[in-house]
Amino acid sequence: SQTIHQWPATLVQPVGSPLSLECTVEGTSNPNLYWYRQAAGRGLQLLFYSVGIGQISSEVPQNLSASRPQDRQFILSSKKLLLSDSGFYLCAWSWSSGNTIYFGEGSWLTVV
Amino acid sequence: GENVEQHPSTLSVQEGDSAVIKCTYSDSASNYFPWYKQELGKRPQLIIDIRSNVGEKKDQRIAVTLNKTAKHFSLHITETQPEDSAVYFCAPREGAQKLVFGQGTRLTINP
Repeated sequence: SQTIHQWPATLVQPVGSPLSLECTVEGTSNPNLYWYRQAAGRGLQLLFYSVGIGQISSEVPQNLSASRPQDRQFILSSKKLLLSDSGFYLCAWSWSSGNTIYFGEGSWLTVV
Repeated sequence: GENVEQHPSTLSVQEGDSAVIKCTYSDSASNYFPWYKQELGKRPQLIIDIRSNVGEKKDQRIAVTLNKTAKHFSLHITETQPEDSAVYFCAPREGAQKLVFGQGTRLTINP
């Protein structure tokens, strides 16, 4: 069966500090990978998606970036966090030819 | 891009009654229509989905209906229970890779 792991689960970071969130998927190959963000009490905003190693599509221009160094690894980064970056970050995957996306357990980021 | 709207944004029903949430979308090429449930502090989880060649799908107390002509689909929950309290998101697919999420509907089941 397939599993998705995301870490860290929670973090508190000062404004201007860097960020790195990591996500890995097990039990499948060549998945589509996604990063979503959810502000408190709001909907899910697609940040990045990837259909293969090194292939990243950005949905929203901002101070975040994503990388896919390996087939089942997806990393969300920032060089300098803003207060507005606070939120619930969700990694997700889908089969390359599938419809349904499956979410990781999420990472709570508070920028102070 | 896809424009997705959910109504209502909040819904409160008595336990045992039915709840209906509607989702409208703009992309006529959309062909996959899922509903996700998110409990407080947890990840969204798929509860039911439908493809464009089907008008209705049912799974126990949950059903989804699709009107492709009018570009909307709805989630129906019957005999509601306290554990149905959550935020529900529709997420019609745009293009080949992306799901575009609505803003969510907060459903509260009153005992």
